[in-house]
Amino acid sequence: DVVMTQSPLSLPVTLGQPASISCRSSQSLVYSDGNTYLNWFQQRPGQSPRRLIYKVSNRDSGVPDRFSGSGSGTDFILKISRVEAEDVGVYYCLQGTHWPWTFGQGTKVEIK
Amino acid sequence: QVQLQESGPGLVKPSETLSLTCTVSGGSVSSGSYYWSWIRQPPGKGLEWIGYIYYSGSTNYNPSLKSRVTISVDTSKNQFSLKLSSVTAADTAVYYCAREDLWGQGTLVTVSS
Repeated sequence: DVVMTQSPLSLPVTLGQPASISCRSSQSLVYSDGNTYLNWFQQRPGQSPRRLIYKVSNRDSGVPDRFSGSGSGTDFILKISRVEAEDVGVYYCLQGTHWPWTFGQGTKVEIK
Repeated sequence: QVQLQESGPGLVKPSETLSLTCTVSGGSVSSGSYYWSWIRQPPGKGLEWIGYIYYSGSTNYNPSLKSRVTISVDTSKNQFSLKLSSVTAADTAVYYCAREDLWGQGTLVTVSS
């Protein structure tokens, strides 16, 4: 299985400050069709995961533009430009290129 | 607006079969190029993709569970289902049904005698 490694696993942030989460895969996530199937999910406390970003950098409908994704190959980043209180939760990367699709361990974002 | 809702027993005995159903509202399980999936999350742990049924009816299962998993679809009821056989305490988890971009609220299934 492709191993997805996130860092940090815990991220205390100050309101209004930027935050960044790294996700590295054990294999390239470029699929045979040329797409890179790397997604980011947010799981707020007590809620189910919500997809924020698909195919590395595409924001889902309704996702604030303070969230952005970037990267290629095996290295990917999720950035929050200015953290708000509603951003508290656990963030997961997911690779959908190689079966079985696998998640990172999760990064817990909390307010300092 | 498409919504997914899981249903099924919250308690299953060891060695028995866990059965869950996902009801899709606001859209059809047989339209669009979607992977209708089951994912689970043991208490306090990370996420594991169990498997999916494609809109065409083809399935793919996580090799770690493949011998015990069946995912099927009932287009007449606009539902898809999960069966996981020979369960143990390690199968205790919140089970989510999902499309790639949309998840249900999840249902906790506890395996205990």
